[in-house]
Amino acid sequence: SQTIHQWPATLVQPVGSPLSLECTVEGTSNPNLYWYRQAAGRGLQLLFYSVGIGQISSEVPQNLSASRPQDRQFILSSKKLLLSDSGFYLCAWGPGQGETPTQYFGPGTRLTVL
Amino acid sequence: GDSVTQMEGPVTLSEEAFLTINCTYTATGYPSLFWYVQYPGEGLQLLLKATKADDKGSNKGFEATYRKETTSFHLEKGSVQVSDSAVYFCALTAHTGGFKTIFGAGTRLFVKA
Repeated sequence: SQTIHQWPATLVQPVGSPLSLECTVEGTSNPNLYWYRQAAGRGLQLLFYSVGIGQISSEVPQNLSASRPQDRQFILSSKKLLLSDSGFYLCAWGPGQGETPTQYFGPGTRLTVL
Repeated sequence: GDSVTQMEGPVTLSEEAFLTINCTYTATGYPSLFWYVQYPGEGLQLLLKATKADDKGSNKGFEATYRKETTSFHLEKGSVQVSDSAVYFCALTAHTGGFKTIFGAGTRLFVKA
């Protein structure tokens, strides 16, 4: 069966510090991968998605970036965090073409920028 | 562009009450439709889905029917439990490259004993 992992679970970082959040998927190949942010009490904002290694699409301009160095690894980064980067970050995977486009979410990382 | 609109919450019900959470969508083509549920402090879980018009998705007593004529996918449950308290997200996915999913804003449900 497929599983998705995210770490760390919680993170408190000062403004201006770097960020690296990691997401890995097990039990599937060539998944589509997604990063979302959920502000407190709000809906989901799609940040990045990837259909393959090294292929990243950005949905919103911001000081965040994403990379996919391996098929089942997706990393969210920032060189300098802003207060507005606080939120709940969710990674998700979904099947590629030809299958029902369900998304399966990780447990999330709660980021607080002080 | 594609969009999802769902009723604002919070919705507060007593245990065993009937639940309806409205969801309407705007999309070109024939998207797949989903309901996801988020319990406090957790990620989202798929609750149910429907991939074509008139399909009914169901799971754990929840149901939703893909209505193309009214562009709706309302979530219903005949008798809610305290354990159903969560945030519910309606979503659509267009069948384009990358399978981007559009989520509604979420509806928080509180069920009182």
